[in-house]
Amino acid sequence: AQKVTQAQTEISVVEKEDVTLDCVYETRDTTYYLFWYKQPPSGELVFLIRRNSFDEQNEISGRYSWNFQKSTSSFNFTITASQVVDSAVYFCALSIVGNTGKLIFGQGTTLQVKP
Amino acid sequence: KAGVTQTPRYLIKTRGQQVTLSCSPISGHRSVSWYQQTPGQGLQFLFEYFSETQRNKGNFPGRFSGRQFSNSRSEMNVSTLELGDSALYLCASSGGRSIETQYFGPGTRLLVL
Repeated sequence: AQKVTQAQTEISVVEKEDVTLDCVYETRDTTYYLFWYKQPPSGELVFLIRRNSFDEQNEISGRYSWNFQKSTSSFNFTITASQVVDSAVYFCALSIVGNTGKLIFGQGTTLQVKP
Repeated sequence: KAGVTQTPRYLIKTRGQQVTLSCSPISGHRSVSWYQQTPGQGLQFLFEYFSETQRNKGNFPGRFSGRQFSNSRSEMNVSTLELGDSALYLCASSGGRSIETQYFGPGTRLLVL
């Protein structure tokens, strides 16, 4: 069975601090995708990034960066110089190629950035 | 391009009633997935439709059903509502160049009294 674990339930930081959100996944499948989504208070899930299982390159997009390590089954997300607008719930998700249309989500990490 | 839209945004029903939620995907997207989000269970996959066919289904009772129309719009129906069905129901569509990526709508918040 597949599973996604986000061990951090809530994180609180002060603006401009760096913060890393952890994600560990479990699957025996060799071909899969990993995602991060952001859910602001409005409720809509906003897509941030997708990674496939064959691409372990880290990625940086502005203040966001992602570290994918197959050896530890982790896909961590770092926000550099956090801002109040980053406050939201962040979800890590897994999809298995062939298991169409199904995302398996972690429980989410609530990030609060204080001014 | 317009995003995924869901109607209604909020709904209040009583136990035993049934409800129908609607989802319009991004133009050109043919796959629509539905999820239920509750504080206790988190985000759980309900089902996925593609070209009017259900291709995948999560572990929910038969009271939860869906369908997709030829224009890719989708509806989900919950019959004989229970208190535990109170949740945020999210719809997502995928297709085009990045078929693996799902884009979500704003959700329908259902309260069952």
